[in-house]
Amino acid sequence: EAQVTQNPRYLITVTGKKLTVTCSQNMNHEYMSWYRQDPGLGLRQIYYSMNVEVTDKGDVPEGYKVSRKEKRNFPLILESPSPNQTSLYFCASSPGQGQRREKLFFGSGTQLSVL
Amino acid sequence: DQQVKQNSPSLSVQEGRISILNCDYTNSMFDYFLWYKKYPAEGPTFLISISSIKDKNEDGRFTVFLNKSAKHLSLHIVPSQPGDSAVYFCAARGEVNYGGSQGNLIFGKGTKLSVKP
Repeated sequence: EAQVTQNPRYLITVTGKKLTVTCSQNMNHEYMSWYRQDPGLGLRQIYYSMNVEVTDKGDVPEGYKVSRKEKRNFPLILESPSPNQTSLYFCASSPGQGQRREKLFFGSGTQLSVL
Repeated sequence: DQQVKQNSPSLSVQEGRISILNCDYTNSMFDYFLWYKKYPAEGPTFLISISSIKDKNEDGRFTVFLNKSAKHLSLHIVPSQPGDSAVYFCAARGEVNYGGSQGNLIFGKGTKLSVKP
């Protein structure tokens, strides 16, 4: 089954404790992206990757890191989480060519709480 | 400043009637628009899209209308069904290299649609 898999689904952590949210897709998609969803703010892009070893900042990259060593994986790293990073996070992927790139496939989300 | 605006946080309609969800944008350089639907505890899923060279795109019960002069698009669902109850996000593709974003999607805040039996 074609899908984007994020782990974990739920995570509670404390300020400053490094964490990684994993994302994997099995559709051989070139484009991958991370979003956060906050009440009243909609979906905001954190980082994106056009292909392996190619990453760039989205609209709200502060406090986050990503890597794209393999085509299928795009982990989101919070080196020193803070309470303002409490949010619902979504990973997404798409074929990356022309208008197909905008037809994103999303994972089920990771609800992160930073205490 | 918000580039894509969905001014109605929620909408309630009766089953069988038409649902109309609205979206306004500010940047005339946006060239491609999409609607995504999101159920609770799931990620958004692509619903329908429209290019800026068109003014209408239809897919079954779903139709998107684009009014470029007004910078407005709308999603019509006819007839509405209880299973359509979800949050709907409008999104626009920014122009290539707009703010360095390489044409990535900009989402609105979403409208929660409730279809009552």
